[in-house]
Amino acid sequence: DIQMTQSPSSLSASVGDRVTITCRASQSISSYLNWYQQKPGKAPKVLIYGSSSLQSGVPSRFSGSGSGTDFTLTISSLQREDVATYYCQQSYTNLRRTFGQGTKVEIK
Amino acid sequence: EVQLVESGGGLVQPGGSLRLSCAASGFTFSSHDMHWVRQATGKGLEWVSAIGTAGDTYYSGSVKGRFTLSREKAKNSLYLQMDSLRAGDTAVYYCARGNSSGYYYDYWGQGTLVTVSS
Repeated sequence: DIQMTQSPSSLSASVGDRVTITCRASQSISSYLNWYQQKPGKAPKVLIYGSSSLQSGVPSRFSGSGSGTDFTLTISSLQREDVATYYCQQSYTNLRRTFGQGTKVEIK
Repeated sequence: EVQLVESGGGLVQPGGSLRLSCAASGFTFSSHDMHWVRQATGKGLEWVSAIGTAGDTYYSGSVKGRFTLSREKAKNSLYLQMDSLRAGDTAVYYCARGNSSGYYYDYWGQGTLVTVSS
């Protein structure tokens, strides 16, 4: 099974800061990497799919990059409404999926 | 409007069974892969199972042999039969739709809570 490792597990940043979250796959997954945002008590929602494609309706301050085994989610200017937990997910293996362990983002 | 509504959660004793349902509406159910994802309280997301448009099924190692996923196209419904339940299966279970390419989830249900406890 493909393992996904995110870092850091949590971070605290100020409004307006640039925030970067990384995700590493245990084997190459090409660009089959998605990012989800989950707010407390809510279902997750997709932000980025295919490593770098922005889902419709998602603010442009969110961006994704990477291929192979190393990926990054960047929030260019952190806003208060971005407080949430972020998960990466690989979709390389037919319908089997794996999530990273999550990164909790808080405001300093 | 796409909607996914889970039901069937509740309290069950260890070793017991439960069947979760996910009622889909607002899209052509037979044209999309469907998945179950669970989340224990305060923990991360865990992929559980998936069913393809051809009826092919996939399971995580932690539930394989105990859970059975099926879909009833005539009722636009997804079912997760959970047997031999353990305390570690306690979680909110989400139904999620694979997008048209199948590579990410574009819609999720609100979740249904399963508690395995004596």
